[in-house]
Amino acid sequence: GAGVSQSPSNKVTEKGKDVELRCDPISGHTALYWYRQRLGQGLEFLIYFQGNSAPDKSGLPSDRFSAERTGESVSTLTIQRTQQEDSAVYLCASSLLAADTQYFGPGTRLTVL
Amino acid sequence: GNSVTQMEGPVTLSEEAFLTINCTYTATGYPSLFWYVQYPGEGLQLLLKATKADDKGSNKGFEATYRKETTSFHLEKGSVQVSDSAVYFCALSDNGGATNKLIFGTGTLLAVQP
Repeated sequence: GAGVSQSPSNKVTEKGKDVELRCDPISGHTALYWYRQRLGQGLEFLIYFQGNSAPDKSGLPSDRFSAERTGESVSTLTIQRTQQEDSAVYLCASSLLAADTQYFGPGTRLTVL
Repeated sequence: GNSVTQMEGPVTLSEEAFLTINCTYTATGYPSLFWYVQYPGEGLQLLLKATKADDKGSNKGFEATYRKETTSFHLEKGSVQVSDSAVYFCALSDNGGATNKLIFGTGTLLAVQP
């Protein structure tokens, strides 16, 4: 079956622009997570969705970051007024239930010039 | 707060050598522990996991044992292959929390030479 997909795979933007990153979870998975991997660092948790609500947004680094999810499907991570420190690989993961194994997408590599 | 510490890489080995990648954790409660692997050009994949103390996770010849007394989850393989070259991430999830979010180590690059 289809895994987690993300788009675009690569995004280059100029400082100050807004970007939207998309995640399509595995069909039927209720839990969805966003993580960020900056160069030479481990993955950092950003936000967790259960259905279309986000009970844990504790990892969002600033109010420039926001995310939404439509039902138990697509999620969009939006970064406003991008900064160079936002350059990273943004990974999405989904799981059937919150306590289950998380399956990761291939990521979106964001480069802010 | 919860955290994971794993040995820095790169680790360079010859084919058929024994592999150990150390991982220790700090956590409250009873986390589950994971090893994820990222092969070149591919996404992150679950390699193995253990959900309680003394459990041993295993897959593809890799093993790791959940040691609560030493707060460790070291990854081992008896004989590595070139195809094992990848970045390995140790992670934990806080089963007592509401989100089950994963907390990762910084990753260890393994390079296996023929």
